[in-house]
Amino acid sequence: SAVISQKPSRDICQRGTSLTIQCQVDSQVTMMFWYRQQPGQSLTLIATANQGSEATYESGFVIDKFPISRPNLTFSTLTVSNMSPEDSSIYLCSVATGHSSSGANVLTFGAGSRLTVL
Amino acid sequence: DQQVKQNSPSLSVQEGRISILNCDYTNSMFDYFLWYKKYPAEGPTFLISISSIKDKNEDGRFTVFLNKSAKHLSLHIVPSQPGDSAVYFCAASAGGGTSYGKLTFGQGTILTVHP
Repeated sequence: SAVISQKPSRDICQRGTSLTIQCQVDSQVTMMFWYRQQPGQSLTLIATANQGSEATYESGFVIDKFPISRPNLTFSTLTVSNMSPEDSSIYLCSVATGHSSSGANVLTFGAGSRLTVL
Repeated sequence: DQQVKQNSPSLSVQEGRISILNCDYTNSMFDYFLWYKKYPAEGPTFLISISSIKDKNEDGRFTVFLNKSAKHLSLHIVPSQPGDSAVYFCAASAGGGTSYGKLTFGQGTILTVHP
């Protein structure tokens, strides 16, 4: 399966600032997915990053708040803009790495970037 | 609207005994169900999955049961080992196309296996 590296692993940010999270995959992949896990909550898909086209955002997430870049097939960035304490979360990058024996699409996740906004 | 729910935030089990983690869902369009395990400071890792047309899938010590009429699934770990201590997430997907890569996760259950 793919190896995913995320940077930074954690950061403490000030309200109103923006932070860019980087995701590097050790193999070429068509789609990369950005998830968020707020404290005590489940993982939620933010958007799908497509190489060569605009990212596709899920309901409740907008490009102005979470701009995404996908310059090539192994790299993507997610920016969290104009941060507030409510943006304190773990942000995870993931890629599809094939099917399980039962036929499910399996996602492999990075270790995540834990952001704390003061 | 929480479409996938894990109602037990935590579970404590003795080594060698069975661990049973439960998950309920509401969306009848889900066609695959997956379990992920997460250790601290690591990303979730895939454990086992089941198709909605099956009621059981087994992989070594791990078995997933699906009760489609009750919209309920469970993960059984037998025998439980201290290394199984982690957060377990139930997840569901509703096919490919525009839903490709979209997993709907539960809140997770913290499993602690005591030696």
